[in-house]
Amino acid sequence: KAGVTQTPRYLIKTRGQQVTLSCSPISGHRSVSWYQQTPGQGLQFLFEYFSETQRNKGNFPGRFSGRQFSNSRSEMNVSTLELGDSALYLCASNAGGTDTQYFGPGTRLTVL
Amino acid sequence: TQLLEQSPQFLSIQEGENLTVYCNSSSVFSSLQWYRQEPGEGPVLLVTVVTGGEVKKLKRLTFQFGDARKDSSLHITAAQTGDTGLYLCAGSMEYGNKLVFGAGTILRVKS
Repeated sequence: KAGVTQTPRYLIKTRGQQVTLSCSPISGHRSVSWYQQTPGQGLQFLFEYFSETQRNKGNFPGRFSGRQFSNSRSEMNVSTLELGDSALYLCASNAGGTDTQYFGPGTRLTVL
Repeated sequence: TQLLEQSPQFLSIQEGENLTVYCNSSSVFSSLQWYRQEPGEGPVLLVTVVTGGEVKKLKRLTFQFGDARKDSSLHITAAQTGDTGLYLCAGSMEYGNKLVFGAGTILRVKS
């Protein structure tokens, strides 16, 4: 079974721009969660989607948004980028019935 | 304040030594997971523990979940250079899949 895939792997943007990141979960998994990882704050939960509905949300500003499609693929969007948004953005998928999550390789976002 | 306190933050040991990483909280978790992460990659799941008092072994790694489901430990026996990496504990405490992560332990095993 293929693992979680994320595209792109690397991205460089400038302040004020917006960005869209994509995640394809493991086949058959209906839950997709997004996390931000930075050296200072570690791994922080952004949001979770299950069957195209946002089921959980972390403490991030409204500039961070996401969605999930009927095939379970998910995208997250960050608008009006700030320098502090530079991070590794990780996507994790879950079958929906357990707590076990499987992470993708991440998208490294650099904001200049 | 970190909901999951992980210690130590850094660990540098010689190959063949034993080590233990701790993950503590004042909150109860429905399950706790341990991950290992290499630089520039996503965390890779090592184990999930769900029952208080549970002990799981994965070759030289032993994982324990506290009786009250508030803490966990990871013990590595006879560490090898290939064990080098960032070890993360993560707890699940509510409906859905929101994981709370510890700050991580950077392990360096020297030959």
